[in-house]
Amino acid sequence: DTAVSQTPKYLVTQMGNDKSIKCEQNLGHDTMYWYKQDSKKFLKIMFSYNNKELIINETVPNRFSPKSPDKAHLNLHINSLELGDSAVYFCASSQQRDGFETDTQYFGPGTRLTVL
Amino acid sequence: GQSLEQPSEVTAVEGAIVQINCTYQTSGFYGLSWYQQHDGGAPTFLSYNALDGLEETGRFSSFLSRSDSYGYLLLQELQMKDSASYFCAALVSGGYNKLIFGAGTRLAVHP
Repeated sequence: DTAVSQTPKYLVTQMGNDKSIKCEQNLGHDTMYWYKQDSKKFLKIMFSYNNKELIINETVPNRFSPKSPDKAHLNLHINSLELGDSAVYFCASSQQRDGFETDTQYFGPGTRLTVL
Repeated sequence: GQSLEQPSEVTAVEGAIVQINCTYQTSGFYGLSWYQQHDGGAPTFLSYNALDGLEETGRFSSFLSRSDSYGYLLLQELQMKDSASYFCAALVSGGYNKLIFGAGTRLAVHP
């Protein structure tokens, strides 16, 4: 009964390859996110989807393409992988609300991507 | 730009109290969250302050001063299992809410 799950947990690949990471949440949340955590543990938002609609797209190379087939799933496809893409990628979900209300995000276990 | 600053490392002994400070420079600020992350694990939510003052949740408390753009996480009765990284994160809005994370504070608890 994992709340937010990701596959795969580890991904080792060569430069130039294309790879995908999948995420699923069973919390009934409307909003899902992709974060990148680099080797210095800096956690930065990449994308966010609300009910399958892209709502946040930070300055991310267009080699990264998210896709949300439904509000419980968010995938991340990366083309032409580069050494600098090596990081841990976290999926998260939350129930978006307006105003001064908490927006607790629930994170998946992460996918450690290593580009050789 | 939007940024948060927190100390990179803090060391304490079991049973002690430790305070992790966080200052922020953001626009569209809603509130300040704290997340805990053990090595190899995922960030997990600890607390959220939308209003000034202290919020207490068991051994952990979090404080916010909006006028000073400052907050802190207070951990009491430290245990070895509290050794982890702690991130402050500003909830901001630019249409849709998003979290801007600080660089994290690594807490090491020693016997």
